[in-house]
Amino acid sequence: GQQVMQIPQYQHVQEGEDFTTYCNSSTTLSNIQWYKQRPGGHPVFLIQLVKSGEVKKQKRLTFQFGEAKKNSSLHITATQTTDVGTYFCAGRSQGAQKLVFGQGTRLTINP
Amino acid sequence: GAVVSQHPSWVICKSGTSVKIECRSLDFQATTMFWYRQFPKQSLMLMATSNEGSKATYEQGVEKDKFLINHASLTLSTLTVTSAHPEDSSFYICSGLAGGLVYGSDTQYFGPGTRLTVL
Repeated sequence: GQQVMQIPQYQHVQEGEDFTTYCNSSTTLSNIQWYKQRPGGHPVFLIQLVKSGEVKKQKRLTFQFGEAKKNSSLHITATQTTDVGTYFCAGRSQGAQKLVFGQGTRLTINP
Repeated sequence: GAVVSQHPSWVICKSGTSVKIECRSLDFQATTMFWYRQFPKQSLMLMATSNEGSKATYEQGVEKDKFLINHASLTLSTLTVTSAHPEDSSFYICSGLAGGLVYGSDTQYFGPGTRLTVL
């Protein structure tokens, strides 16, 4: 079945440093979504990417969807303590209804 | 964005009892709802996909007789954990699939989750 791999599993940075998490799917995706989950909270939808090679920005966050629609990345510039949490990618294969989540990247920040 | 509520937010029960969790889409109609389970420090694992008015589709390894799902209306789905055991203790999260012109294509909105502890 479809698998979504996400790396790294953990990332610890100093406040102000950049952070990137990568997502790789075993199948071609119709779209990919990114979520953030704060400790003790539930996943919160951040963004959806649909087009091959798409790049979207939300303030300090930059999301990319690969040309082959099998990989994606989330890059945070100049991290702040409010960025702490686990970031999940979730992909939907073409023709499928369900989202498959990556393992998540847990980001911790040293102030 | 679309809002999904879950009730209760947490529950503690004795082993062998059944627990019902409600998931409601408050400002949109969700023809499809998903139920996930998340163990500590792990990712979300899809348990089942529920389409309004039809039987749920369970993922491999999820016992349909243990985790009863009912999706009787476009705004309500319920998950009943029957004869709960300590290994069923987990964070259960539902999500509703919102589509159409207002919310765009196939975006899932998650409820706040229900933390189940079985003693």
